[in-house]
Amino acid sequence: QQQVKQSPQSLIVQKGGISIINCAYENTAFDYFPWYQQFPGKGPALLIAIRPDVSEKKEGRFTISFNKSAKQFSLHIMDSQPGDSATYFCATRGFSGGSNYKLTFGKGTLLTVNP
Amino acid sequence: SAVISQKPSRDICQRGTSLTIQCQVDSQVTMMFWYRQQPGQSLTLIATANQGSEATYESGFVIDKFPISRPNLTFSTLTVSNMSPEDSSIYLCSVNPGQGSIQYFGAGTRLSVL
Repeated sequence: QQQVKQSPQSLIVQKGGISIINCAYENTAFDYFPWYQQFPGKGPALLIAIRPDVSEKKEGRFTISFNKSAKQFSLHIMDSQPGDSATYFCATRGFSGGSNYKLTFGKGTLLTVNP
Repeated sequence: SAVISQKPSRDICQRGTSLTIQCQVDSQVTMMFWYRQQPGQSLTLIATANQGSEATYESGFVIDKFPISRPNLTFSTLTVSNMSPEDSSIYLCSVNPGQGSIQYFGAGTRLSVL
C-alpha cells in the first residue's frame, strides 16, 4: 500500500521557469516531510524539509508548501536551471515501533530543465 | 553531516550466488538503514539496523534472504543471498547521525544478476 503519492512522474521545464512537484499522504501521524534530490549514479541527497507545524519553508530557490488539512505538500523550484535536472523524491517520516522510525518515499519525479 | 562509503559500487553476479555489501560511515551513528531502489523506481526500506540489536525487517523482506550485520557504530553489511535476476537493483545504505532528522545516503551498490 503506497502511503505517499507523488506527481507528476516526469516534468519538463524551460530554464527560468517554475517547477512544481506534488505529494499527498494518508497517515496523519507523519511528523517530518523531506524532499530528496538524486542525480544519476548518486545516492539521494536531502534538499529541503518541513515539519507539519508550518505551512511554508523557503531555502533559496526551493520552497515547500504544506497543507495539513489536505494532507498534501509540494516542492516549488523557482528560476529552474539545467543543473536542477534530476529525480526528486518526496518522503514522509513515521514511527515504526519503539524508537525506530522510517521514511516512506514517493515514486519520484524526473525533472528536465531545458536550456 | 555524515559521509557514507559503500563497497562495491557495482557488481555483476551469477544466479544462485550471494553478495555482501559493506557500508562504512565516518562517524558513529545509532540508526542505519538499508534500502533497495529498482531501476527507475522509488526507494524501499529493507531493514533498520541498530547497533546491539537484531535488524528490523520490513514487510516482504526476510533475514534469510537479506542478512544484516551491525558490529559497531560505524559499519554494517547487507548480504543478498541466493540471488536471482529479480534482485537486480541499487542497494543503498543510509544513516541518521542524530543531528535532527536528516538522513544521509550512500552512493549505492548497483547489482546486476545474470
